[in-house]
Amino acid sequence: DTAVSQTPKYLVTQMGNDKSIKCEQNLGHDTMYWYKQDSKKFLKIMFSYNNKELIINETVPNRFSPKSPDKAHLNLHINSLELGDSAVYFCASSFRTQNIQYFGAGTRLSVL
Amino acid sequence: DAKTTQPPSMDCAEGRAANLPCNHSTISGNEYVYWYRQIHSQGPQYIIHGLKNNETNEMASLIITEDRKSSTLILPHATLRDTAVYYCIVIDGRSGGSNYKLTFGKGTLLTVNP
Repeated sequence: DTAVSQTPKYLVTQMGNDKSIKCEQNLGHDTMYWYKQDSKKFLKIMFSYNNKELIINETVPNRFSPKSPDKAHLNLHINSLELGDSAVYFCASSFRTQNIQYFGAGTRLSVL
Repeated sequence: DAKTTQPPSMDCAEGRAANLPCNHSTISGNEYVYWYRQIHSQGPQYIIHGLKNNETNEMASLIITEDRKSSTLILPHATLRDTAVYYCIVIDGRSGGSNYKLTFGKGTLLTVNP
């Protein structure tokens, strides 16, 4: 029973396409996150949601639109994909009052 | 804007203790030291955290100096599966003090050799 699960694990697509990555957690957490890890392995926060409310948007282009239908899910939709979007995207979750985050296995996005 | 400094890489022999240092000379009184690691092709994994006392759990021990300006993560008997990038992160311990994000630096690549 994976605590934080992301789908798909791999995503290969053409420039200009629109794609979505799904994330679900079964830990009962109230806060969820999206992180991006680029080719140089730097891991950076993109968004965080608490109780379905957007808390952080770290200067991410408008082409990225997170959606949280409920506390257990945080999906990431990306419009008009660009080459620079190629990266590994990690979903994570935690309780708002704690700094222990649980990460998914990542989604490796390749834009051709 | 990382508040910590770690060596870029370290080696350790399998079965020996791995001691990973971290400098956080500007740490404030409310800030905890957290350690995460990222095994290749996996998501980051929480290891341990502490404020000023030494801490131990099933994964590792954390030794924080008395002035709290540095700490050491100890893996007592390193295995090949401990090969990973280890991140030391300083976080305000007050509620929501992480500002809802973890700020990862470059970390230390620990390679455990057979």
